[in-house]
Amino acid sequence: DARVTQTPRDKVTEMGQEVTMRCQPILGHNTVFWYRQTMMQGLELLAYFRNRAPLDDSGMPKDRFSAEMPDATLATLKIQPSEPRDSAVYFCASGLGDRGNTEAFFGQGTRLTVV
Amino acid sequence: DAKTTQPNSMESNEEEPVHLPCNHSTISGTDYIHWYRQLPSQGPEYVIHGLTSNVNNRMASLAIAEDRKSSTLILHRATLRDAAVYYCILRDQLSNSGYALNFGKGTSLLVTP
Repeated sequence: DARVTQTPRDKVTEMGQEVTMRCQPILGHNTVFWYRQTMMQGLELLAYFRNRAPLDDSGMPKDRFSAEMPDATLATLKIQPSEPRDSAVYFCASGLGDRGNTEAFFGQGTRLTVV
Repeated sequence: DAKTTQPNSMESNEEEPVHLPCNHSTISGTDYIHWYRQLPSQGPEYVIHGLTSNVNNRMASLAIAEDRKSSTLILHRATLRDAAVYYCILRDQLSNSGYALNFGKGTSLLVTP
């Protein structure tokens, strides 16, 4: 059963530390999304890749966040330095295309706590 | 982006049908109507999508109004496992720059035994 895999599932870190979250999209999928979910803001789009190229990262704080796809099987989201307000669940999703009639498949998320 | 409006919460009894409404009065002719749900402590999960005609799959049915300004997700027999937040999202068919899913607040469905 193909699925999006995210690691780690949980991460507790101290303020100021670098955090790297990883996502393995479903094999063959060419679009990857990163979302952040908090109680206050709900699900927010952070970044969006098609064929490994970033299409939209306007939702991402540029000074501390970066998203990359080193290859088609790995997407990373880095926060440096991390702050308590970054505490959230981060979801990765992948899809085959990004047009109206395609679906996205989400991972289980990485729960980040910055203390 | 065309916007959707959903009730904040709904309640249903187990084994009864559930009709989850969504208004999208500014929908364009090329927007697909998507539904996703998020179970507690899980990532969002695709449920169903449609353009103009009603759609059925193993999870649910999607009824789309003739003018497409509203739609209804139908769970035919609610189970406790269907308790989740349900999101109604519009996705552009023709966007060349890509179109990410923009989640609103959704409808929190409570299913009681």
